[in-house]
Amino acid sequence: GDSVTQMEGPVTLSEEAFLTINCTYTATGYPSLFWYVQYPGEGLQLLLKATKADDKGSNKGFEATYRKETTSFHLEKGSVQVSDSAVYFCALIPDTGRRALTFGSGTRLQVQP
Amino acid sequence: GAGVSQTPSNKVTEKGKYVELRCDPISGHTALYWYRQSLGQGPEFLIYFQGTGAADDSGLPNDRFFAVRPEGSVSTLKIQRTERGDSAVYLCASSGTSGRSVNEQFFGPGTRLTVL
Repeated sequence: GDSVTQMEGPVTLSEEAFLTINCTYTATGYPSLFWYVQYPGEGLQLLLKATKADDKGSNKGFEATYRKETTSFHLEKGSVQVSDSAVYFCALIPDTGRRALTFGSGTRLQVQP
Repeated sequence: GAGVSQTPSNKVTEKGKYVELRCDPISGHTALYWYRQSLGQGPEFLIYFQGTGAADDSGLPNDRFFAVRPEGSVSTLKIQRTERGDSAVYLCASSGTSGRSVNEQFFGPGTRLTVL
């Protein structure tokens, strides 16, 4: 079945450091790919998405590129802030017509001042 | 406008009891989803409604779990004979059903269920 694998956390960075959170997926065809973020005490929020190969999703300085050849959707940010501290989830919806999201296990990011 | 709301925010119950969790989707969203998130894990799909009908209930773990959406808006997740393993955060999400909004799910804050 479909699955998403994320790098284990926590990831601890200093402010203004470069961030990469790895995400790879297993699914047939061309799933839609998503990054969701969960800030402390808040609900899940969509951060960015990409729906076809080579698309780049971007939002709030975060970017991720849909790489079909490596089945990856790594999240990057050039300069993190303390306010980016949260749990980040990679997820997919398959192109089979099924509407449910399949999530990875999440990666906790801690940014220190 | 208002987002997805869920009540109660916290529910503590005893093993063997019955619980109901409520979800109010974003107005106009015809698709509604229930997920369950255990500590340290990503959310896992339970059931998806399109309008009043359950379009996909393949994620329900067993027949103790049931969900309804009688008028195509508010949904209730019902758990019978609760077990300690049912303790988790239950998340509800809704989405539109046309164009680019079809795959964008908006999540509520969740209901934290604790079974003692």
